[in-house]
Amino acid sequence: KQEVTQIPAALSVPEGENLVLNCSFTDSAIYNLQWFRQDPGKGLTSLLLIQSSQREQTSGRLNASLDKSSGRSTLYIAASQPGDSATYLCAVRDSNYQLIWGAGTKLIIKP
Amino acid sequence: DAMVIQNPRYQVTQFGKPVTLSCSQTLNHNVMYWYQQKSSQAPKLLFHYYDKDFNNEADTPDNFQSRRPNTSFCFLDIRSPGLGDAAMYLCATSSPFVASGSYNEQFFGPGTRLTVL
Repeated sequence: KQEVTQIPAALSVPEGENLVLNCSFTDSAIYNLQWFRQDPGKGLTSLLLIQSSQREQTSGRLNASLDKSSGRSTLYIAASQPGDSATYLCAVRDSNYQLIWGAGTKLIIKP
Repeated sequence: DAMVIQNPRYQVTQFGKPVTLSCSQTLNHNVMYWYQQKSSQAPKLLFHYYDKDFNNEADTPDNFQSRRPNTSFCFLDIRSPGLGDAAMYLCATSSPFVASGSYNEQFFGPGTRLTVL
């Protein structure tokens, strides 16, 4: 059974720092992995989608990598800003086509 | 802009009083999902439609029903809301028939916050 873990559960860093959020999964047989952002009380915003055949995707200050063999993905945020404060969730689409979610990392960027 | 729209954004209902939440999309995606999300938890899939084919998750209570009258609209009906059904309800869409970069990417609406009194 596919399980997705995000560590740490919460992270607080000063503005301007580069940071990495981690997502690990137990079964490498996935179709894709998606990173989302969720602001308090709001819906989810898709940040990056990495297909199983891809190694990374970039959008602005965000870069997501995927290493299926080790069951890991990272979301790199460059030059963090207070507006980046949110909960970041990763989800993998597994071999049964189900979307399996991590519990999220709550990120706080201190001005 | 193409998007996923949910109405209302906030819904208050009384214990046991039926409520319907609405989702519409302009993305023309053939798959639509309903999720329940409680505070500080990951979204929990309730069911999804692949075109008109309805797929219910095994642990979704019978109290939750859904309708999809056409490609653009999908409804979540809660027949007899209990206090434990208070949550954020999220609608999402995806499609396997888009450009490879967005293949099966899920797009979410802003959610409906349900309060049960």
